[in-house]
Amino acid sequence: NAGVTQTPKFQVLKTGQSMTLQCAQDMNHNSMYWYRQDPGMGLRLIYYSASEGTTDKGEVPNGYNVSRLNKREFSLRLESAAPSQTSVYFCASSESGGSTGELFFGEGSRLTVL
Amino acid sequence: QKEVEQDPGPLSVPEGAIVSLNCTYSNSAFQYFMWYRQYSRKGPELLMYTYSSGNKEDGRFTAQVDKSSKYISLFIRDSQPSDSATYLCAMSALTGFQKLVFGTGTRLLVSP
Repeated sequence: NAGVTQTPKFQVLKTGQSMTLQCAQDMNHNSMYWYRQDPGMGLRLIYYSASEGTTDKGEVPNGYNVSRLNKREFSLRLESAAPSQTSVYFCASSESGGSTGELFFGEGSRLTVL
Repeated sequence: QKEVEQDPGPLSVPEGAIVSLNCTYSNSAFQYFMWYRQYSRKGPELLMYTYSSGNKEDGRFTAQVDKSSKYISLFIRDSQPSDSATYLCAMSALTGFQKLVFGTGTRLLVSP
């Protein structure tokens, strides 16, 4: 059982380049999330999708776009990368509402913007 | 001031020690409390979940919530080298994850 799969695991970009982080889950979860993790900042929510066909901004959405392609897949796009977007990005999923407190995370995508 | 404060560590203990990890928070509306464990180069995984105040035990792990002091703790008994990881507290006022606030994590090192 793969759980939440993210690609790529590592990426180096130059300022101004664009890229898309891919995420897929095989747990039939309704809700999916993109977080970034920075030293001293903790995990911060970028965007989330409560269900297929819906997306909403989280705490730090500027500079990012998302697409909920279908129930399994949720992608994060950086249109014009900036050094401030150097971070580790985590995709997560949960059952609708998530009242049990369990988010299932992928292994992360490490992005460096030069 | 951050909504959730957590000492980054590292906290170094010998194998078999009792470990206490803590978070303080400022938002009195928080009522859902979680502890996630994150191994190096991996994603976080849920360890404990507690609603409102009180204690919850699961094997060697005990989660404690003191809402009057705005303080939560995770105790690990008989710590093992495999417990070496970063421990993140997380909390929310509402069910659902849209407003979940994470601490920055405490790095724990358990030496054999």
